[in-house]
Amino acid sequence: QSALTQPASVSGSPGQSIAISCTGTGSDLGDYKYVSWYQQHPGKAPKLIIYDVSNRPSGVSDRFSGSKSGNTASLTISGLQAEDEANYYCLSYTTTNTRVFGGGTRLTVL
Amino acid sequence: QVQLVESGGGMVQPGKSLRLSCAVSGLKFRNYGMHWVRQAPGKGLEWVSFIRHDDSNRWYGDSAKGRFTVSRDNSRNMVFLQLTSLRAEDSAVYYCATDRDDHYFDHWGQGTLVTVSS
Repeated sequence: QSALTQPASVSGSPGQSIAISCTGTGSDLGDYKYVSWYQQHPGKAPKLIIYDVSNRPSGVSDRFSGSKSGNTASLTISGLQAEDEANYYCLSYTTTNTRVFGGGTRLTVL
Repeated sequence: QVQLVESGGGMVQPGKSLRLSCAVSGLKFRNYGMHWVRQAPGKGLEWVSFIRHDDSNRWYGDSAKGRFTVSRDNSRNMVFLQLTSLRAEDSAVYYCATDRDDHYFDHWGQGTLVTVSS
């Protein structure tokens, strides 16, 4: 199972909005709405920020939003803040009942 | 408060075995499937394995098939990952995480570091 494709890095200035894409195939992203996103700060465990494409867990800022079209999911962060600087990973369920992560995207807040 | 605590990591020689444990508290453990995820130094997350809440099914990523075995003990609220025939490329932080409805991982432990080196 190949990793989902994410850009290696994105950047933005405080207050701006950025989007991170996550591209899969018909065997994972394309076939299911079970896409989730995780934020990971250096040295810390990942944290769930979006599940089932566009749902936010309790306590997660509404500046985080998700969407999906075909084989590509996207995470949008609006009103960028310094604390958003982290690594972001997408995750999908697959047709073989396994899971696959994206390669990860490093977000830099300029 | 939900808490997941991994243990059992350490330094081990290539070809040897190691057993990782994950103790879970703060939820009805027997109702939750459990995942193992690993992260090599400076690299991204890699899904390793999943075990259903009732141990009715187990799944493995390509790198784990044939060498790693996931198991659980619902009476002790614990999940395990047996690592065998370890290779240098298995060096990573290993995380356990709870599964929600087969859709996502909602709680994570802090991880345990495995280093495979001679």
